[in-house]
Amino acid sequence: EDQVTQSPEALRLQEGESSSLNCSYTVSGLRGLFWYRQDPGKGPEFLFTLYSAGEEKEKERLKATLTKKESFLHITAPKPEDSATYLCAVPAISSGSARQLTFGSGTQLTVLP
Amino acid sequence: ETGVTQTPRHLVMGMTNKKSLKCEQHLGHNAMYWYKQSAKKPLELMFVYSLEERVENNSVPSRFSPECPNSSHLFLHLHTLQPEDSALYLCASSQAVMGYEQYFGPGTRLTVT
Repeated sequence: EDQVTQSPEALRLQEGESSSLNCSYTVSGLRGLFWYRQDPGKGPEFLFTLYSAGEEKEKERLKATLTKKESFLHITAPKPEDSATYLCAVPAISSGSARQLTFGSGTQLTVLP
Repeated sequence: ETGVTQTPRHLVMGMTNKKSLKCEQHLGHNAMYWYKQSAKKPLELMFVYSLEERVENNSVPSRFSPECPNSSHLFLHLHTLQPEDSALYLCASSQAVMGYEQYFGPGTRLTVT
């Protein structure tokens, strides 16, 4: 069964302290890896799609990278408004069903002023 | 209206009630989804509707019944729910089922008493 695992579960940073979030996956034939941001009580907000190893995407203080086994979301000089849960997802086979977008459990990021 | 909208935003219902959740997408997409998000658990796909197919997660109880009258509207009919069904129910849409990012609505916070 395909799996998506995110680490760490929670991360606390001081404002300006750069770090990285990890998303590892075990799927055959990757058909895209998606990053989302979710604020409490709201729906996930789409950030990036990565399709092939070596690909990188950037948006403000965020940069997503992809290898054959994992993706990283790098946060450079974060601000308190970057506090949120970051989710990654891949189309994966679950319980014998056709490919469905399978989400990781997320990393809850808190940036302290 | 823009993006994906959901109504109601909050719903409290008894176990014997019947209610419906509504989702509308204004993005011209061809696939729509229902997800369940419970505390401390990954997003769980419940149903997928697209021009090509309807996909169900076989673990979804029959007390949840989807309806997709056209490519812009999606309903989730609820009846005789259980307290463990209390969760955030999210609707999403995408251009097609595979390989495309999904855009989420704000969700309906459901509480079953």
